[in-house]
Amino acid sequence: EADIYQTPRYLVIGTGKKITLECSQTMGHDKMYWYQQDPGMELHLIHYSYGVNSTEKGDLSSESTVSRIRTEHFPLTLESARPSHTSQYLCASSELHQKTDTQYFGPGTRLTVL
Amino acid sequence: KNQVEQSPQSLIILEGKNCTLQCNYTVSPFSNLRWYKQDTGRGPVSLTIMTFSENTKSNGRYTATLDADTKQSSLHITASQLSDSASYICVVADRGSTLGRLYFGRGTQLTVWP
Repeated sequence: EADIYQTPRYLVIGTGKKITLECSQTMGHDKMYWYQQDPGMELHLIHYSYGVNSTEKGDLSSESTVSRIRTEHFPLTLESARPSHTSQYLCASSELHQKTDTQYFGPGTRLTVL
Repeated sequence: KNQVEQSPQSLIILEGKNCTLQCNYTVSPFSNLRWYKQDTGRGPVSLTIMTFSENTKSNGRYTATLDADTKQSSLHITASQLSDSASYICVVADRGSTLGRLYFGRGTQLTVWP
């Protein structure tokens, strides 16, 4: 079982609300990632980080933002949620120096915006 | 365009039977290929990682094969169990960037019936 945690597991909110999805890992990994996954579809990378104070946008355009102030913590924020943001959000982490690094995934946050 | 295609999209088998899942990819330059298992409502868990020089790798009842010439991989599950019911995702990494860009398939949804 990977030591990577996400909260909340499920979130139902109204349009226009600001939300923050939490992700933390205790493995000391430098790389961290956020993916978005819709039912029956592939994972899409929306943000990643190489380490503290490093954040990059992924392949899928997202209105969310991320921060990396501490190695173990990589929160994702939506300033104004919309129904189009309804999806599952998966956080992952891996070691920095190996290209065959295994990505360890958290359990995910299922977000529903009404 | 780099792609990962998996087949079948879904599969139902009886407990105790074997099955084989397929993955074709066009990702280039190739770095490694991974198989993940994703239980419903959970994050993916790594089963195997294979680099260019490896053509088979086992993890318990799971055996993955790789033919880098034809760009095909398979995941064979032996003596299936009810707990094998999950989505199996093929992921290919390229070596064109430090990050090791990952390309995800949509997964094969396996259901094991008693």
